[in-house]
Amino acid sequence: AQSVAQPEDQVNVAEGNPLTVKCTYSVSGNPYLFWYVQYPNRGLQFLLKYITGDNLVKGSYGFEAEFNKSQTSFHLKKPSALVSDSALYFCAVRDRIGGANNLFFGTGTRLTVIP
Amino acid sequence: ETGVTQTPRHLVMGMTNKKSLKCEQHLGHNAMYWYKQSAKKPLELMFVYSLEERVENNSVPSRFSPECPNSSHLFLHLHTLQPEDSALYLCASSQEPYNTDTQYFGPGTRLTVL
Repeated sequence: AQSVAQPEDQVNVAEGNPLTVKCTYSVSGNPYLFWYVQYPNRGLQFLLKYITGDNLVKGSYGFEAEFNKSQTSFHLKKPSALVSDSALYFCAVRDRIGGANNLFFGTGTRLTVIP
Repeated sequence: ETGVTQTPRHLVMGMTNKKSLKCEQHLGHNAMYWYKQSAKKPLELMFVYSLEERVENNSVPSRFSPECPNSSHLFLHLHTLQPEDSALYLCASSQEPYNTDTQYFGPGTRLTVL
């Protein structure tokens, strides 16, 4: 079965400091991994995805994520946090089981950037 | 974000009511999805449509009935819902359903069942 785990419900970081939002995955085949962000009263917005190739993936708004196969992790990072980064972040994984583009999401991590 | 729109944004209904949620995508995509987002739970994929054909139905109760009249529109018809069905219902679309295309989400409909 495929799944992702986001071990932290809440992450607080001071503005200007580096941030990390953690995600680990479990999938039977090659993982396709995604990060989405949800701002208040808004739908999910795509940040980045890992399909194949370089383990470090760069995405929108200065975010990046590192795929680590040995640790089955795909942590989201940003070198310098902004207050506007405060939002709910979702990690998702997909494989081809069932055929259709089934994304399995984590429970989300709420990031608060403190001014 | 205006690529996928959802109406209404908020809906309050009684358990005996019948209502419908509407989703429209302006991206020229071929696949559309319904998700349920409840507090403290992962997003749950409910239905997947590809070119108006339903390709996934993840054990969703029959009180939820999807309809996809064309590749740009997706409906979720609701009847005799339960209070535990209160949640944010998100629509998404992607170019195709069978690969790693990015899914683009609408803003959601906040449903409250009394």
